[in-house]
Amino acid sequence: EAEVAQSPRYKITEKSQAVAFWCDPISGHATLYWYRQILGQGPELLVQFQDESVVDDSQLPKDRFSAERLKGVDSTLKIQPAELGDSAMYLCASSPPGTSYNEQFFGPGTRLTVL
Amino acid sequence: LAKTTQPISMDSYEGQEVNITCSHNNIATNDYITWYQQFPSQGPRFIIQGYKTKVTNEVASLFIPADRKSSTLSLPRVSLSDTAVYYCLVGDPRYGQNFVFGPGTRLSVLP
Repeated sequence: EAEVAQSPRYKITEKSQAVAFWCDPISGHATLYWYRQILGQGPELLVQFQDESVVDDSQLPKDRFSAERLKGVDSTLKIQPAELGDSAMYLCASSPPGTSYNEQFFGPGTRLTVL
Repeated sequence: LAKTTQPISMDSYEGQEVNITCSHNNIATNDYITWYQQFPSQGPRFIIQGYKTKVTNEVASLFIPADRKSSTLSLPRVSLSDTAVYYCLVGDPRYGQNFVFGPGTRLSVLP
């Protein structure tokens, strides 16, 4: 069964450092999402791509976060500089095109700890 | 975006049927109702989605009344492995996004 891949699974960094997360969606899935999930809360959408274009990044803290999906396949989410409050699980999800309903397939996530 | 309200937590025992109700009073005409399940340290997993009446799959059933202002996720004969957080989301799937995750319902299944 195809799955969304994410790396690394865990990342520990110090504040003010730069970090990057990678996501490879399920093949053929045109829509890709990045979420942030703080412990005890539901996932919060950061950015959504349709192919290589950003559809929604209204919740992305653009002063320090950036996301790209250059060829419309895999994607990278970057934080620079990292802050203590960025400690969270970062989830990537994808969904297939042309469906009449939206089922998002989530990856295992990257657990970020900022010291 | 339609706001959803669901219980913060529920307890059940193995073998029982569990019903989790979600309120979404301002659901829009084109909105669908979707439920996800999340285990600790994993990403959410799609359970079921519906628009009206009843939907059933191998995992759960979803009951939606005619006014669509609420929905109930039904898990038959739960086991310990069903202990997880369950999220109810409402949104228009044509736009593939804006499914807002609330805090969810933390279901604990006891032996």
